[in-house]
Amino acid sequence: DAGVIQSPRHEVTEMGQEVTLRCKPISGHNSLFWYRQTMMRGLELLIYFNNNVPIDDSGMPEDRFSAKMPNASFSTLKIQPSEPRDSAVYFCASRRPSGGETGNTIYFGEGSWLTVV
Amino acid sequence: SQQGEEDPQALSIQEGENATMNCSYKTSINNLQWYRQNSGRGLVHLILIRSNEREKHSGRLRVTLDTSKKSSSLLITASRAADTASYFCAPYNQGGKLIFGQGTELSVKP
Repeated sequence: DAGVIQSPRHEVTEMGQEVTLRCKPISGHNSLFWYRQTMMRGLELLIYFNNNVPIDDSGMPEDRFSAKMPNASFSTLKIQPSEPRDSAVYFCASRRPSGGETGNTIYFGEGSWLTVV
Repeated sequence: SQQGEEDPQALSIQEGENATMNCSYKTSINNLQWYRQNSGRGLVHLILIRSNEREKHSGRLRVTLDTSKKSSSLLITASRAADTASYFCAPYNQGGKLIFGQGTELSVKP
């Protein structure tokens, strides 16, 4: 089975440019998470979707960040305009409907490494 | 806060030794999960222990949970160089989301 697929894996962009990160969750999973990881702040939860609906976006840093999930198999995280402090690894993760032994575990993609110069 | 806090922040041991990492949390939980992150990779789920369980084993992993103290520990026995990674705990309740702490960075020297 394919895992969570993220693209691009690496991106270097100039300050002020728009950045779009993409995620394809595991088929059959109905929850999707976007995390950001930096040395200083660790792993932060940015936003969480359930059945394509944003449930908790309290971790989204500011209005420059937006996330969408137009259908069950695709999500985007957009940063506009990007700033150097947005440099981080952005992880997407998904989870199957709750229940059973593994109902709460989440599966991570390999991350999108963003550098804003 | 639903976040778990791992201790120690870093741990360095020799191959063959046991590694123990601890996790403390503040809220009531349904279960607590441990994840591993190899350098440059995404987190990988290791083991889940439910709130009504006190101990759980999986291969060389042993997890304990003390809900009265709101703490958990992860023991890796007979460690290998390949166990070098960061380890995170994640307490889970009905909220639906998993919040991770800073993790324990484990280094196993051959």
